[in-house]
Amino acid sequence: RKEVEQDPGPFNVPEGATVAFNCTYSNSASQSFFWYRQDCRKEPKLLMSVYSSGNEDGRFTAQLNRASQYISLLIRDSKLSDSATYLCVVSPGYSSASKIIFGSGTRLSIRP
Amino acid sequence: GAVVSQHPSWVICKSGTSVKIECRSLDFQATTMFWYRQFPKQSLMLMATSNEGSKATYEQGVEKDKFLINHASLTLSTLTVTSAHPEDSSFYICSARGDLNQPQHFGDGTRLSIL
Repeated sequence: RKEVEQDPGPFNVPEGATVAFNCTYSNSASQSFFWYRQDCRKEPKLLMSVYSSGNEDGRFTAQLNRASQYISLLIRDSKLSDSATYLCVVSPGYSSASKIIFGSGTRLSIRP
Repeated sequence: GAVVSQHPSWVICKSGTSVKIECRSLDFQATTMFWYRQFPKQSLMLMATSNEGSKATYEQGVEKDKFLINHASLTLSTLTVTSAHPEDSSFYICSARGDLNQPQHFGDGTRLSIL
């Protein structure tokens, strides 16, 4: 089993739709969770951190379920500019050598 | 937000050349820096992790003598691809992190093409 698993997609949804991604992780000791987006041929950019109580940033909502070991990202009222690959990132966080694990990414394509 | 600068953005050179890539954290102290490689349509692959002042930790299958990493200060890490060959052509991306549970911030990446 991979340490971090994501549905690779692609998700192809119309503009204005709501779309949700899940990401599961295997290490129950994981401490920190993040969502990044990566545009084609560009570096990943931090979208948002994921907090235990869940957090929202505009149209984006991230949630963490420690019991089931997954995090989710919800995008409301999707825009064409949301088309990208979304990477789930999990970090054990217990030492400076902790290996940060990236999911393989979920591709999202928003159509007009 | 945190800024990480990576230089150069593009490199095209002949086989056998050594190429040095710099990664700088501009507005924070990067305790840990990471070097990744990404082939087209594939995931990021971690190559090595470096902490300031200590030797880098390389991932399995990554040759440390081929990919030399130096993390001499809290704001600068370098990756040198020694005697590069066409199969080393890839997108190399660095990232930097301050405190332990903070997110990584990525440089713009370096697109390396070896002819």
